[in-house]
Amino acid sequence: GAVVSQHPSRVICKSGTSVKIECRSLDFQATTMFWYRQFPKQSLMLMATSNEGSKATYEQGVEKDKFLINHASLTLSTLTVTSAHPEDSSFYICSARGLVGETQYFGPGTRLLVL
Amino acid sequence: DAKTTQPPSMDCAEGRAANLPCNHSTISGNEYVYWYRQIHSQGPQYIIHGLKNNETNEMASLIITEDRKSSTLILPHATLRDTAVYYCIVRVGGSSNTGKLIFGQGTTLQVKP
Repeated sequence: GAVVSQHPSRVICKSGTSVKIECRSLDFQATTMFWYRQFPKQSLMLMATSNEGSKATYEQGVEKDKFLINHASLTLSTLTVTSAHPEDSSFYICSARGLVGETQYFGPGTRLLVL
Repeated sequence: DAKTTQPPSMDCAEGRAANLPCNHSTISGNEYVYWYRQIHSQGPQYIIHGLKNNETNEMASLIITEDRKSSTLILPHATLRDTAVYYCIVRVGGSSNTGKLIFGQGTTLQVKP
């Protein structure tokens, strides 16, 4: 299957700082990328959907000013958690879907710990 | 949005077939059934998807009932590495480049020696 990478794989930051997570589609062009969040022992929760060159569409209850998403190219999307707080500690997973194919592929995830 | 119902957990003996059921009684005609699995602390892994016909690939088989209200994922010879949470998802929207995957609670499959 297609490969999606994320960087960093884990990050620890102090409360109040901002953290940027990168998501790349390595062997295909992703017109649509998705960002999910997963808390321990829970399922994945969709945060937002972004199309290349357009503003992201956020799910209900997700603060767009706190979780900034940029999808500037067909192979890169970034999620910036602004002014992070301990309750933002979670497993963040990106996903990408190509131009023609229907299948959505997931990255390995980024574990964020806010102290 | 079509929702899915899966048993919360299942056990399977190593080397035997694992049959994971999924109900999606409100599925629409143009919605696909997708299966993913998530091994602990990793991103979900795509397994297989289908619309109406049964599908098979190197990982698994997908059996969809004629009325499309339920499906079964079959892992023909389960190994310990198949222990994971398996998600059955109906893709909202249906057409090639629209729609999004909404995850339910999935089935935790435990493969035992």
